[in-house]
Amino acid sequence: QSALTQPASVSGSLGQSITISCTGTSSDVGFYDYVSWFQQHPGEAPRLIIYDVNKRPSGVSSRFSGSKSGITASLTISGLQAEDEADYYCISYTRSSPFDLLGTGTKVSVL
Amino acid sequence: EVQLVQSGAEVKKPGESLKISCKGSGYEFIYYWIGWLRQMPGKGLEWMGVIYPGDSQATYMPSFEGQVTISVDRSTGTAYLQWRSLKASDTAIYYCARRPGSFGLDYWGQGTLVTVSS
Repeated sequence: QSALTQPASVSGSLGQSITISCTGTSSDVGFYDYVSWFQQHPGEAPRLIIYDVNKRPSGVSSRFSGSKSGITASLTISGLQAEDEADYYCISYTRSSPFDLLGTGTKVSVL
Repeated sequence: EVQLVQSGAEVKKPGESLKISCKGSGYEFIYYWIGWLRQMPGKGLEWMGVIYPGDSQATYMPSFEGQVTISVDRSTGTAYLQWRSLKASDTAIYYCARRPGSFGLDYWGQGTLVTVSS
């Protein structure tokens, strides 16, 4: 099962905006509006921050936003803060497997 | 409040067996799939398998088929991940997570660190 492609690392300064990409194919990201994003701080479990491409669960900061264009989904973090330093994973529905496709993960560093 | 609470860290020797748990609360346990994922040291997340508590139907990723067993106890609202014979390469953090329908994961357990070393 192929993984969704994410950049290994993205960095930004405090207060900046950054965008993390998640690239799939026309059979998964490009076909369904079922993309989620997770944030994982070191030593902690992943936490859902975006679902259905651009919806935020209750309690998640509005600085996190999601979008999709073609076969690429994106997570944007606005007004970057120190606590945003973490690993981020995307996940997409695919009808070719009972298991959703997971992204390779992106390490966000705050300079 | 939805919670998934996993059992504590384990240290085992190669060849030993192990069963770790994931107890759900705050929702109707039998109606939501539970997934198990592995995270090896410094690596990303990998699917191992999923189980539907309503009928105990489990589906495994090919790379884990025959290596682990996923089960549930509906009476206690608990899912399990089991090994018959551990290997050093099973050293990892194992997470359970709830699937809110046919796609995705919403609530996660805190993770169980399994260390296999002679």
